[in-house]
Amino acid sequence: DIQMTQSPSSLSASVGERVTISCRASQTINRYLNWYQQKPGQAPKFLIYSASSLQSGVPSRFSGSGSGTDFTLTITSLQPEDFATYYCQQSYSTTYTFGQGTKLEIK
Amino acid sequence: QLQLQESGPGLVKTSETLSLTCTVSGGSISSSSYSWGWIRLPPGKGLEWIGRIYSSGSTYYNPSLMGRVTISVDTSRNQFSLNLSSASAADTALYYCARLGYSRDGVDFYYYMDVWGKGTTVIVSS
Repeated sequence: DIQMTQSPSSLSASVGERVTISCRASQTINRYLNWYQQKPGQAPKFLIYSASSLQSGVPSRFSGSGSGTDFTLTITSLQPEDFATYYCQQSYSTTYTFGQGTKLEIK
Repeated sequence: QLQLQESGPGLVKTSETLSLTCTVSGGSISSSSYSWGWIRLPPGKGLEWIGRIYSSGSTYYNPSLMGRVTISVDTSRNQFSLNLSSASAADTALYYCARLGYSRDGVDFYYYMDVWGKGTTVIVSS
């Protein structure tokens, strides 16, 4: 299986700040990388596909970048509703795998 | 608007079969543009991909569950189901069903899970 490693595992930030979450694949996955947001008690919400393409309806303060093995999710100007856990997920292989998650908390 | 809803027993006995159903509303499960999948979130762990099915019935399973997992589709009821045999405590998790869409860029198909159910908790215990 392709292992996905996110860093950091948790992150504290303030409203209005810019944050970056990293995701690394154990082998190249080209741009087959998705990002999801999950809040407690809710289903994951799909944010970004193909490493950098924003899903319709997702605020433009979210952006993704990267290719190969290293990827980044950036949130500019954090809003109160952005505090959640974020997961990356590869779709390069037919056995999809997720990162372990990054919990973004309010400072 | 498309909605997915998981249903099934919240408690399963060890060694028995865990069975869940996902009911799709607001759209057809027979659409050739999508496939349908199961994902779970064990307590204290990250998300784990279980498998997917197309409306044609073709399936892909996580090899770690191979031999125990079966996903099936019932287009007449607009549902798809998960069966996981020989359940153990390790199968205790929050189970989600999801729709898989894709974006095409030339020969590349970028799959993603764009609509999720709210999830259902299954506890496996003797």
